[in-house]
Amino acid sequence: DAKTTQPPSMDCAEGRAANLPCNHSTISGNEYVYWYRQIHSQGPQYIIHGLKNNETNEMASLIITEDRKSSTLILPHATLRDTAVYYCIVSSSDSSYKLIFGSGTRLLVRP
Amino acid sequence: GAVVSQHPSRVICKSGTSVKIECRSLDFQATTMFWYRQFPKKSLMLMATSNEGSKATYEQGVEKDKFLINHASLTLSTLTVTSAHPEDSSFYICSANYRGKNTEAFFGQGTRLTVV
Repeated sequence: DAKTTQPPSMDCAEGRAANLPCNHSTISGNEYVYWYRQIHSQGPQYIIHGLKNNETNEMASLIITEDRKSSTLILPHATLRDTAVYYCIVSSSDSSYKLIFGSGTRLLVRP
Repeated sequence: GAVVSQHPSRVICKSGTSVKIECRSLDFQATTMFWYRQFPKKSLMLMATSNEGSKATYEQGVEKDKFLINHASLTLSTLTVTSAHPEDSSFYICSANYRGKNTEAFFGQGTRLTVV
């Protein structure tokens, strides 16, 4: 079973920041937080991952709370092409980094 | 980023026949590959973990004799759906992790299987 909970759907206006929350209250000390997204009928796409510290790359920022029980994925300037299902997953070397997908958040970016 | 290629992207087969799906890591070595299936409007469900040179580890409820996995090299894993039936129609997706590194998994583009 997935160890994360996410809202089923969200929407935001094009050009605005999209903030996607994720709860992982039972995360273990060696588990990383991963974010992937899936655009319809394609394989998932890696976005970002982190352990404790906040992370940023060219796609997004990941904010992890100090107690690591939740995190937020931030798409700073959402575009229509960011419309997708976003998955927050926790994993570690204990499970060979296998990814157990939950239901994800369906993000709709409005024109 | 690294590329994982799946082949074929679409396949239609008759009931009772077997279908093989290939998953290749094109520019990196992957000691571990994963196979998923996805039904319409549902999330990905992990089927099995495939390790190079050893038997695959199947998730609970996945029939190993139905879904044969072979990981003969560091760049290739195959999934064979044996004696396919219409209920096996689904979107099958593979992923591969960099050898020995904690990094992101790279996913193939998926294979749409339709059994008629």
